[in-house]
Amino acid sequence: EDKVVQSPLSLVVHEGDTVTLNCSYEVTNFRSLLWYKQEKKAPTFLFMLTSSGIEKKSGRLSSILDKKELFSILNITATQTGDSAIYLCAAQGNTASKLTFGTGTRLQVTL
Amino acid sequence: GAGVSQSPSNKVTEKGKDVELRCDPISGHTALYWYRQRLGQGLEFLIYFQGNSAPDKSGLPSDRFSAERTGESVSTLTIQRTQQEDSAVYLCASSLIGQTYEQYFGPGTRLTVT
Repeated sequence: EDKVVQSPLSLVVHEGDTVTLNCSYEVTNFRSLLWYKQEKKAPTFLFMLTSSGIEKKSGRLSSILDKKELFSILNITATQTGDSAIYLCAAQGNTASKLTFGTGTRLQVTL
Repeated sequence: GAGVSQSPSNKVTEKGKDVELRCDPISGHTALYWYRQRLGQGLEFLIYFQGNSAPDKSGLPSDRFSAERTGESVSTLTIQRTQQEDSAVYLCASSLIGQTYEQYFGPGTRLTVT
């Protein structure tokens, strides 16, 4: 059975801190690893990673994939209160239609 | 509005009743997904519709759950004889065919079974 595990489950940091969120996966015929940000209800797409070692970057957010060790990290630098959300990691495997999601990391950024 | 819409936004129902949740995907998105998210949990895949192909129902947790989609438009998720463990947020997403990664999510329906 496909599995995605995220850590930590929750995190509280001060504005300006840098955070690293972790995602490990066990997925049959792995295709891609995705990160989403969920505020309130609807997740929004952040990154898709398919190749090892190639960093994807968007502003203060960046992510990288290690297909040998089966994990990905999401980094957020100079955090802001608007970064407070649940960050979801998902893996796409054998079945193109299905994403297996982790339970998410709840990030709270305080002033 | 160009996004995915869902209705109702909140639904409270008594145990044993049937409920119907609705999803309107983005126009032109032939792929449609339903997920369930229990409190403090990740998204749990339920069902996937792709154009006119047979849906992937492998995530439906029991035969009380069913979903339909008419063509490439509206989808309804029906839960019969609701149980308290069905309480969750039900999220719908749509995407272009072959772009599973770029799913656009609706705001969800929060279902509470009392």
